[in-house]
Amino acid sequence: QVKLQQSGAELVKPGASVKLSCKTSGYTFSTSYMSWFKQIPGQSIEWIGMIYAGDGGTGYNQKFKGKATLTVDTSSSTAYMDLSSLTTEDSAVYFCARLETTVATSFDYWGQGVMVTVSS
Amino acid sequence: DVVMTQTPPSLSVAIGQSVSISCKSSQSLVYSDGKTYLHWLLQSPGQSPKLLIYQVSNLGSGVPDRFSGTGSQKDFTLKISRVEAEDLGVYYCVQATHFPFTFGSGTKLEIK
Repeated sequence: QVKLQQSGAELVKPGASVKLSCKTSGYTFSTSYMSWFKQIPGQSIEWIGMIYAGDGGTGYNQKFKGKATLTVDTSSSTAYMDLSSLTTEDSAVYFCARLETTVATSFDYWGQGVMVTVSS
Repeated sequence: DVVMTQTPPSLSVAIGQSVSISCKSSQSLVYSDGKTYLHWLLQSPGQSPKLLIYQVSNLGSGVPDRFSGTGSQKDFTLKISRVEAEDLGVYYCVQATHFPFTFGSGTKLEIK
């Protein structure tokens, strides 16, 4: 079955960077899209961007350009998101989700989410 | 960006009742291919979101047919018939027609 397993919670200092991972299994990663999302607890969800694992092509929400960088490693079926120059406003839960494009063209499987806390 | 306006912000319902949630977009969500990429998700407490309905009215995998979606262009509705205890959580509409994809503010469903 399809699984998306995200890395563990992060506590990072302001100004630092963090790299989050999303390891997949149960489907053909190399021809799929992955999206990433931000959710501050108690608030709605924001779409950060997406990446096509086939060629590494990306699309970003303008709001997160310069903040987030999406990459993939097809050899390990893992997607990554780098978050740079972190501030307290980046403290949130971050989700990865597969963007299924053959039937639903929607986010059909989600990772469990990872809490990133930015604090000195 | 497309603004998704969801109402009501919260609902309190008894088991077995039916409820409806509205989602209105600031632009038409019909894509150039003729399809409408408006989806509904449920985020149960402490969980990641789950796909309930895709492209307005199609049930996600394993989703009971108590859930139904209707609408077109800019006006959409999620209906839950015969609410069950497991339905509690926050419901979100999301549009994937226009970049950036955007979410509604959510509707919190509580069980009386």
